[in-house]
Amino acid sequence: DAKTTQPPSMDCAEGRAANLPCNHSTISGNEYVYWYRQIHSQGPQYIIHGLKNNETNEMASLIITEDRKSSTLILPHATLRDTAVYYCIVRDILTSGTYKYIFGTGTRLKVLA
Amino acid sequence: NAGVMQNPRHLVRRRGQEARLRCSPMKGHSHVYWYRQLPEEGLKFMVYLQKENIIDESGMPKERFSAEFPKEGPSILRIQQVVRGDSAAYFCASSPQGPYEQYFGPGTRLTVT
Repeated sequence: DAKTTQPPSMDCAEGRAANLPCNHSTISGNEYVYWYRQIHSQGPQYIIHGLKNNETNEMASLIITEDRKSSTLILPHATLRDTAVYYCIVRDILTSGTYKYIFGTGTRLKVLA
Repeated sequence: NAGVMQNPRHLVRRRGQEARLRCSPMKGHSHVYWYRQLPEEGLKFMVYLQKENIIDESGMPKERFSAEFPKEGPSILRIQQVVRGDSAAYFCASSPQGPYEQYFGPGTRLTVT
């Protein structure tokens, strides 16, 4: 089962910031939070990941709470092309020390003109 | 650096035929993951492979499905005796050795008639 829960859908006005929340209350100390998005039926696109510090790149910012039980992905100036399903993922660590992703249902973000 | 390549992009098979889906990981990536996505659903993990080894196949149906990642050449997901319920998008992702993010291919859309 997925280790994360997200709201099923959100709307955001074009040009405004889109704030997508994610709960991961069972996350352990060394597990990263990853964000991907899937535009239409394309392959998921990597956005950003973090452990405990806030992270920023050219696409988005990731804010992780101090207790690490939740995080927020921020798209600072949403455009119509940001309309997509956004997935928050905590990796499932295998006994071999490797890992795999378990996708939840994600948040369907609709950016409105 | 070319991204993850999948072919064919679209595949139509009649019930009972075999489907072979190919995935070429990004250069330098030795880990391959396969996912299945049914219409209007999230991605479901199927199998995780390293070169010549299956690391985790917990998401793969026990019958008719198999996967390999040979020393040379692409990873292959093989579905024998396809049924209508196998119609889905199949995505492949790759990552380098270590706890790095996965990069996804464009997917293969399998339609069983």
